[in-house]
Parts: sequence; structure tokens; C-alpha cells
Amino acid sequence: GAVVSQHPSWVICKSGTSVKIECRSLDFQATTMFWYRQFPKQSLMLMATSNEGSKATYEQGVEKDKFLINHASLTLSTLTVTSAHPEDSSFYICSAFRLAGAQTQYFGPGTRLLVL
Amino acid sequence: AQSVAQPEDQVNVAEGNPLTVKCTYSVSGNPYLFWYVQYPNRGLQFLLKYITGDNLVKGSYGFEAEFNKSQTSFHLKKPSALVSDSALYFCAVRDFNSGSARQLTFGSGTQLTVLP
Repeated sequence: GAVVSQHPSWVICKSGTSVKIECRSLDFQATTMFWYRQFPKQSLMLMATSNEGSKATYEQGVEKDKFLINHASLTLSTLTVTSAHPEDSSFYICSAFRLAGAQTQYFGPGTRLLVL
Repeated sequence: AQSVAQPEDQVNVAEGNPLTVKCTYSVSGNPYLFWYVQYPNRGLQFLLKYITGDNLVKGSYGFEAEFNKSQTSFHLKKPSALVSDSALYFCAVRDFNSGSARQLTFGSGTQLTVLP
């Protein structure tokens, strides 16, 4: 089946630092990847849509200068949380859209970010 | 606009009994419908999808779902629940006619607890 990986799986950082999260589709090419944020016991909130070779599309209310997205290849998208603050602590999940096989999104295992 | 409703935050069922997790949707065109399962501190795992064809869709781990167009529902079912089925379940929808917009809209999630 389609596999999506995320790295790191968890990270603890000091307030004011930047954190980069990688999302990779391991066995398929993904022209589109999505970044979600999930608060405890809540649903996934779409942050942005990452398109290979072009700028990401951000959802309303998501600061593009704070959450930098780069989709440099067909198998890799990165999310950088710049100048992280405690309120950025959350569970971040990426997904990759697999066009072949009837358009299913496959999700990474998530990255737990804790900003102290 | 597309939306998904999962009316039950919590579903409890005894092991060996049948289970149902409810989902209703709203889209302007034809729906793509998905069920995902999330275990604690993990990403989402794909269970099954409805794109077209038979209204009864069979997926992973013995789960199935029935697409009902008149009731705009896509309830998840399993004939005999296992304790290991205990997890958070998300229903998601995408409008078939949404063109290049590929993002899913998720329901709020239903916590399923199977009691031994």
C-alpha cells in the first residue's frame, strides 16, 4: 500500500526557534500534499495545500510567513514552523494525494510539536 | 461548500456485537467518501472509500460502509466488534466536481470504545 512518512515523530523546542517537519511519500509520487493540524480530541484542520513546484495554498487564518511550506520534489514536502511559540504546540499531520488508484489521500504518522 | 457530520462523539459497544458509526455529508456535486481510523498519537489510516459503483463498500479489518444517496449518509459498520477496534474514526468527503481542489473535509470524529 501507499506509505507516507514524517520526520521527526516528535520534537521539543524552545520558544523562538524554528522547526522543520518533513513529509515523504515513499512508494508513489505526490504532486499534491496537505498539511493538517490537530488539537487533542479534535478533528483535523487543514492548514495548507502544497503543490510540487509552486507556492502552497494556505487556508484562511493560517499565517504563511509563520508556517513555511516547500514542495521541492514529487516525494517531499516540508513544513517549517518559524519562531515557534507555545501556542504552536500541536500534532501536525501531512498527507499525500495519490492520483493513481482512485484519488485517495494517505496520511503520515504525525509529528508532535511541543514548544516550551 | 462541502461538509461532514458525525453526530456521535462517542460510541460504546460490547465485543462481538455489531457496530455502527454514523456519518452524513453535504456536497454540491457527487461525493467521494472516505473513512479513516486514528489510534492514539498516530496519523490516520485509510479504511475504505466510495467513489462510484456498489453502494456497499468493503474495506480493511472487516469494516464496511453503505452509501445512501437519498439520506446523504455513509455509515461505517462491522458485524462483530473487537477490542482492538477501539480508536477514533473520521468520515471525510470530497466533491467529485471540485476540479483541481483535492482537499478532504473531515467530520469531527467519533471515539469508538469496544468493551471486553
